Formats: sequence, structure tokens, C-alpha cells
Amino acid sequence: QQQVKQSPQSLIVQKGGISIINCAYENTAFDYFPWYQQFPGKGPALLIAIRPDVSEKKEGRFTISFNKSAKQFSLHIMDSQPGDSATYFCAASDYKLSFGAGTTVTVRA
Amino acid sequence: ETGVTQTPRHLVMGMTNKKSLKCEQHLGHNAMYWYKQSAKKPLELMFVYSLEERVENNSVPSRFSPECPNSSHLFLHLHTLQPEDSALYLCASSQGLVLVRELFFGEGSRLTVL
Repeated sequence: QQQVKQSPQSLIVQKGGISIINCAYENTAFDYFPWYQQFPGKGPALLIAIRPDVSEKKEGRFTISFNKSAKQFSLHIMDSQPGDSATYFCAASDYKLSFGAGTTVTVRA
Repeated sequence: ETGVTQTPRHLVMGMTNKKSLKCEQHLGHNAMYWYKQSAKKPLELMFVYSLEERVENNSVPSRFSPECPNSSHLFLHLHTLQPEDSALYLCASSQGLVLVRELFFGEGSRLTVL
């Protein structure tokens, strides 16, 4: 059973646009929500993470929005750049990480 | 040198071959993992080792056999694989197993089974 559901499967955005990826979960024991970024030919790497006592976390052009009551969280990539083209995985952790299926983001110049 | 190194990066094998994937972590971590990554699917956890002891085996077919001789090295031995086993196999490590917050991944071994 997939513990974290991620959408969309892929998206294309123009340079300078906003990319939005959504994730939902059911397990209320999850207490840590990271996002991983994976470039082609590379392994996933931690990008940004949030804890459920915070509604938003921003690091540069990347922002996580967290809605505890709805059990949803999302990643916003502002001013998207071609170098942001990658696959993004949301995840949730209680004592171990459960990953979403991934979203392939393509930023067109 | 990257924190988690995997070899080989690419492997093509027939269904009757025997091969092994190797992973080495240079981070001083105590836990190591094998994941399978197939297109459009969530990362699939296969095995977890903590201090060389296997602590999780997620219903993986016996044609995949892990080995962890020490906390820095992890192997995945492959034999009589099926074409549907073609995927990217990722090794990862973490500091421990309690309250895992970050996994450090290698670049993966791309396996093609003919």
C-alpha cells in the first residue's frame, strides 16, 4: 500500500514559471516530510524538509507548504530554471521514509 | 569522493547469469539500504541492514541475495533474474535506523536483464 501519494506524474513549465507538486498521506504518525531531487544518472538527494508544526518552509526558490489538517503538502519551485529539470520525490517519515512515486519536472527555456 | 559509491554503474546480464552489485559508503553510517527504482513507480525498499544485520526484507524474490560484510559495504547478488527485474538499483545509507531523517543515495546501478 502506497503511503504517500504524489501528483502530477510529470509537468512541463516555462522558464520563470512556477512548478507545483502535491503529496498526500494518511498516516498521522508521520512527523517529518522531506523532498528529494534526482537528476538523470544520479541518485536522489535531499532538497528541503519540513516538520508538521510549521506550515511553510522556504529555501531559496523552493518552498514547502504543509496542511496538517488536510494531510497534504506541496513543493513550489518559483522562477523555475532549466537546471531544475529533475525528478522530485516527496517522502514522509515516522521511523522510516516512505516515498511518493515521483514527478518529472521539465523546464523549457 | 562521493559519500555512497556504487559499482558497476551499468550492467547487462542474461537470465542465467550471476552477477553482483557493490555499494560502499564513506560516511560512517550504521544503516544501509537497497532500493529498486522502476519508471513511474515509488522507490521500492528491498533490504535494510543495520550494523551488518539484516533488519528488513520486503518480500523480495530469492533471486536477489544481499550481503553486508561490514557497516561500510553492501552487496546485492543477482542470479536467474527476469526481464522485469530491469531497473535502477539504488544503495543508500543513514546514520542509524531510529527516526531516519535523511538517506544518502549512491548514483545507482542500471541493470538490464535480457
